[in-house]
Amino acid sequence: AQSVTQLGSHVSVSEGALVLLRCNYSSSVPPYLFWYVQYPNQGLQLLLKYTSAATLVKGINGFEAEFKKSETSFHLTKPSAHMSDAAEYFCAVSDGGSSNTGKLIFGQGTTLQVKP
Amino acid sequence: DSGVTQTPKHLITATGQRVTLRCSPRSGDLSVYWYQQSLDQGLQFLIQYYNGEERAKGNILERFSAQQFPDLHSELNLSSLELGDSALYFCASSLSGGDNEQFFGPGTRLTVL
Repeated sequence: AQSVTQLGSHVSVSEGALVLLRCNYSSSVPPYLFWYVQYPNQGLQLLLKYTSAATLVKGINGFEAEFKKSETSFHLTKPSAHMSDAAEYFCAVSDGGSSNTGKLIFGQGTTLQVKP
Repeated sequence: DSGVTQTPKHLITATGQRVTLRCSPRSGDLSVYWYQQSLDQGLQFLIQYYNGEERAKGNILERFSAQQFPDLHSELNLSSLELGDSALYFCASSLSGGDNEQFFGPGTRLTVL
């Protein structure tokens, strides 16, 4: 079975500071990994995804994530936080095997607060 | 705007009732996923349909059922509703499955009183 653990349900940073949101996964097959963002009262939007190509993945809005198989991690970073980055962030895993349906298993989410 | 539409936006009903949530996928997408988001359970995968056929099942209760119609829209039926069914229900669509990006609708907020 696959699972995702997001360390820290709430992260607070100052505007301009580094953003680091942590995600560890568990999967018995090569995983596909995703980061989604959810703004208040909206659906989820894909930030970036890893599908076994380059281990450093660049996404929208200046975010990037690095797949580290040895650490089973897929942490999300952004060099400089903007006020508009305040939202809830979800890490998700799906089965990268031959029978992959694409169903997503989500972590519990991390709320990012950006202070002026 | 993701291109995925969900109706209604809000639904308030009583315990024991039955409701139907509707989802229209993005044009060209064959796969539809349903997810439930609640405070205690987080975001959970319920069920997936691909081109009219059920493809994957998650933590979906027996009181819940879904289908995908020939025009590819999907409906999630929730019956014998309980207070604990109150949640945000998202529909997402993708081209097929696998690593294709899933586009999420705005959700239907269900409140069971």
